[in-house]
Amino acid sequence: AIQMTQSPSSLSASVGDRIIITCRASQHIRDDLAWYQQKPGKAPNLLIYSVSNLQNGVPSRFSGSGSGTEFTLTISSLQPEDFATYYCLHDHIHPWTFGQGTEVEVK
Amino acid sequence: QVQLLESGGGVVQPGGSLRLSCAASGFTFSTYGMHWVRQAPGKGLEWVAFTRYDESNQYYADSVKGRFTIFKDNSKNTVYLQMNSLREDDTAVYYCANDRVPKSFGELGYWGQGTLVTVSS
Repeated sequence: AIQMTQSPSSLSASVGDRIIITCRASQHIRDDLAWYQQKPGKAPNLLIYSVSNLQNGVPSRFSGSGSGTEFTLTISSLQPEDFATYYCLHDHIHPWTFGQGTEVEVK
Repeated sequence: QVQLLESGGGVVQPGGSLRLSCAASGFTFSTYGMHWVRQAPGKGLEWVAFTRYDESNQYYADSVKGRFTIFKDNSKNTVYLQMNSLREDDTAVYYCANDRVPKSFGELGYWGQGTLVTVSS
């Protein structure tokens, strides 16, 4: 199975900061990479699919990039509602696998 | 709007069985593949199972293969997860989700709110 290694596992940031989360796949996955946001006690929410495509309704401060095995999620200016846990997911081939998650905390 | 409503969770003893249901609305259920994902308490997300929109293929995580079965009833707009030989490490919130794109094999789109399964003696 393809392994997804996400870093960092947690980070502390302030409102207005630019943050970057990285996801590395154990093999090439083309553009089969998505990002999800999860808040405590809630279901995950799709942010980005196919590396860089914003899901409907997701603010433009979120962006994704990368190719092959290295991918990033960037939040250009962190807002109070963005403090949450973020997961990458590959859908290149079954089994789908998630990264371990990155918890974004208030500094 | 898309709604996914899971049910069927509860407390079960090790070795027992449970069937989860996920009732869907707001999209053409018969044209979408469906997933189950779980999250153990305080842990990350683990993909569990997927069925193609027409049930032509099902896929499972190694951790549940041979014990869990996913199937959908397009006449009832419902997807199920039959869980047998349950173990304590199956304790988790179980989410259903649809594929983002119809007749596809890809990322998860909309998610339900989850149902808690606790395996304990």
